Amino acid sequence: DTGVSQDPRHKITKRGQNVTFRCDPISEHNRLYWYRQTLGQGPEFLTYFQNEAQLEKSRLLSDRFSAERPKGSFSTLEIQRTEQGDSAMYLCASSLADRVIGEQYFGPGTRLTVT
Amino acid sequence: GDSVTQMEGPVTLSEEAFLTINCTYTATGYPSLFWYVQYPGEGLQLLLKATKADDKGSNKGFEATYRKETTSFHLEKGSVQVSDSAVYFCALSGGGADGLTFGKGTHLIIQP
Repeated sequence: DTGVSQDPRHKITKRGQNVTFRCDPISEHNRLYWYRQTLGQGPEFLTYFQNEAQLEKSRLLSDRFSAERPKGSFSTLEIQRTEQGDSAMYLCASSLADRVIGEQYFGPGTRLTVT
Repeated sequence: GDSVTQMEGPVTLSEEAFLTINCTYTATGYPSLFWYVQYPGEGLQLLLKATKADDKGSNKGFEATYRKETTSFHLEKGSVQVSDSAVYFCALSGGGADGLTFGKGTHLIIQP
């Protein structure tokens, strides 16, 4: 069990550029979650997958945000046409479907800065 | 929608003091409740959980009891240590497989 990993850990981009973040969950975990955390706030749920199926995406912040988990293993979160308001920490978490829903294991996050 | 409210920080205590961090929630149905902790430079970690009314979650000397009548899940520890300095988040899961709803976090500082 190597834990949840995220790449990159830091990303600086210019407004209007597209960015993509990767999350590798704990290997046997079939649920994968994405959250956004801004300064002074708790994490805000964005979307989640069970295996390769995206079961909730209505909480994605706008149509500029999209996520994939093509083979039910790693996942990517893409933000198109970034805006300064997208600057935040993006967190990934994973869990087993047969455990208590909120018992999630979090990665270290990707900090996005949009200039 | 669901929401979690927790006391504002920072909370500064001396070592061996008694700790309470208040957390109240609003949810439809019967949520599960959690405390997560973020130590400096580390990711969020589950500290303890309670899945039904009157359950008490406990871990590392911390405790919290699920109080349905007051919609609360206050975090307590009898004697804090410097190593407990961290940001503590109260959270709930609404019963579906959606993500957690978090409070804003409480920064705890323990002075030797």
